[in-house]
Amino acid sequence: QVQLVESGGGVVQPGRSLRLSCAASGFTFSSYGMHWVRQAPGKGLEWVAVISNDGSKKNEADSVKGRFTISRDNSKNTLYLQMNSLRAEDTAVYYCAKDKADVAVTFFDYWGQGTLVTVSS
Amino acid sequence: DIQMTQSPSSLSASVGDRVTITCRASQDIINSLAWYQQKPGKAPKVLLYGASRLESGVPSRFSGSGSGTDFTLTISSLQPEDFTTYYCQQYYNDLPTFGQGTKVEIK
Repeated sequence: QVQLVESGGGVVQPGRSLRLSCAASGFTFSSYGMHWVRQAPGKGLEWVAVISNDGSKKNEADSVKGRFTISRDNSKNTLYLQMNSLRAEDTAVYYCAKDKADVAVTFFDYWGQGTLVTVSS
Repeated sequence: DIQMTQSPSSLSASVGDRVTITCRASQDIINSLAWYQQKPGKAPKVLLYGASRLESGVPSRFSGSGSGTDFTLTISSLQPEDFTTYYCQQYYNDLPTFGQGTKVEIK
């Protein structure tokens, strides 16, 4: 069965960096696009970033562009999110999610359990 | 960016009621729309995609319709486990966006 397990969340001071990881299993990781989606406490869902199956195409939301970088290692079946220059408004549960497709952005058919990132001094 | 507007933001209903949630896109997205259900403390779960295609394993009381800019999610007969929050998401372009959510509460 498909499993996505996020790790790397925690409490970090504003301006600092954090790297999230998402370990994937139960499917051919290298065949699908992958995303990060976040949810601030008590708020709705916000898409953060996407990477194509082979890592050649990436895109980020305007709210994180230039600060967050999505990447993947298909040899390790792992997705990453490097978050730099963190702000209080980045506080959220971060989910990794599998795209239904390989290159095109579609919808998210599997999600991890989420990892909480708290940006606070 | 394509803005997605859901209505209502919350509603109260009883077990057995028929419920409809609407989602409006700021531009034509053809049928590139998915609906998700999210229970408290859990990750979202996809219910429908392509505006009206039921994801495998999702009960048939959930249905979707619409195309272009206006879409609906209908729950034909609310069950106790359906009282939670629902989101729409467009995937017409490379920048997916979600609606703000609709919370279905027990009357």
